[in-house]
Amino acid sequence: EAQVTQNPRYLITVTGKKLTVTCSQNMNHEYMSWYRQDPGLGLRQIYYSMNVEVTDKGDVPEGYKVSRKEKRNFPLILESPSPNQTSLYFCASRSPGGKENEQFFGPGTRLTVL
Amino acid sequence: QQPVQSPQAVILREGEDAVINCSSSKALYSVHWYRQKHGEAPVFLMILLKGGEQKGHEKISASFNEKKQQSSLYLTASQLSYSGTYFCGTDLTGFQKLVFGTGTRLLVSP
Repeated sequence: EAQVTQNPRYLITVTGKKLTVTCSQNMNHEYMSWYRQDPGLGLRQIYYSMNVEVTDKGDVPEGYKVSRKEKRNFPLILESPSPNQTSLYFCASRSPGGKENEQFFGPGTRLTVL
Repeated sequence: QQPVQSPQAVILREGEDAVINCSSSKALYSVHWYRQKHGEAPVFLMILLKGGEQKGHEKISASFNEKKQQSSLYLTASQLSYSGTYFCGTDLTGFQKLVFGTGTRLLVSP
């Protein structure tokens, strides 16, 4: 089954404790991205990657890091989480170009930083 | 630059029609539409590329007015399953950097 997986689905942590949210896709997509979703603000892109070893900032990259060492994986790293990073996070993947290339979203990770 | 969606919320009775608009202040390469149900991930509906095309699937269709940099999503004869939040995502360059609007909440009642 074609899918994007994220782990963990739920996470409660404390300020300053480094964490990683994993993302993996099995569709051989070149393009992957991370979004955060907050009430009233919609989906905001954190980082995106066009291919292995190619990443770029989205609209709200502060406080986050990413890496793309393999095509299928795109982990999101919070080196020193703060309460304002409490949010719902989505990973997504897609093949670039084309009219019918939909973007697939993972199930989401709900993060709470105390 | 975040696209502007209107209206922010819509309440319909089953069988009624609705239009959701998405406007950008910048020239667009493409517009993407998604629907998200509560507690779930967004689900893809359709993509429109610049050129003013219109496309649709069953009773949900969309148009893209390149001159106005505006896209509209049309929901015809709404069903209960149409309830959710609709997001448009805009891509300025074709390099997949999608910027989403704040969403339109749609509630269809029996």
